[in-house]
Amino acid sequence: QKEVEQNSGPLSVPEGAIASLNCTYSDRVSQSFFWYRQYSGKSPELIMSIYSNGDKEDGRFTAQLNKASQYVSLLIRDSQPSDSATYLCAVKGPGGFKTIFGAGTRLFVKA
Amino acid sequence: ETGVTQSPTHLIKTRGQQVTLRCSSQSGHNTVSWYQQALGQGPQFIFQYYREEENGRGNFPPRFSGLQFPNYSSELNVNALELDDSALYLCASSLFGEVNTDTQYFGPGTRLTVL
Repeated sequence: QKEVEQNSGPLSVPEGAIASLNCTYSDRVSQSFFWYRQYSGKSPELIMSIYSNGDKEDGRFTAQLNKASQYVSLLIRDSQPSDSATYLCAVKGPGGFKTIFGAGTRLFVKA
Repeated sequence: ETGVTQSPTHLIKTRGQQVTLRCSSQSGHNTVSWYQQALGQGPQFIFQYYREEENGRGNFPPRFSGLQFPNYSSELNVNALELDDSALYLCASSLFGEVNTDTQYFGPGTRLTVL
């Protein structure tokens, strides 16, 4: 079992729709959770961090965390073609030195 | 506030050579982590430096080594380069300490090609 798992996609949604990206992790004591966006040939850029169970909203983005189910998700509302990218889920355990990334989900937003 | 910078942008080496990659952390950050990202994969943790010492290491051989300097900048050194070392090398800086302050911000990366 991989430590952080994401569907590789590609996930294709029409412009204006909601894109839903999912991630599961194996280490129950993980404390910090992150979503990064990575455009082709570029480095990852942080979208959101989340630390507590529940939802966290920032503009069109909502991160959801369920520690009991070891599940974290990212919702993108009103998806735009500029949202087309690979979305990386990252998880950090206690001790704070090692962040584990999933392989990423490729998202295509069709105009 | 300055962001994370890395140099060089691109690098081509041959098998068996050695390479040094450099990273300057974001202003106010004291921790630097290095990652290797192969094509189509997520970043893989190499190691982290805090207070000029290696603070944790991923599953990489000893020929991957690093340094952190008093100004929190860092170097990644790779000896005896292999073809599989071809990848995007990412540096990320953060503030070591409490949860909620540990977000990492990435530099633009160095694309290493080993021929």
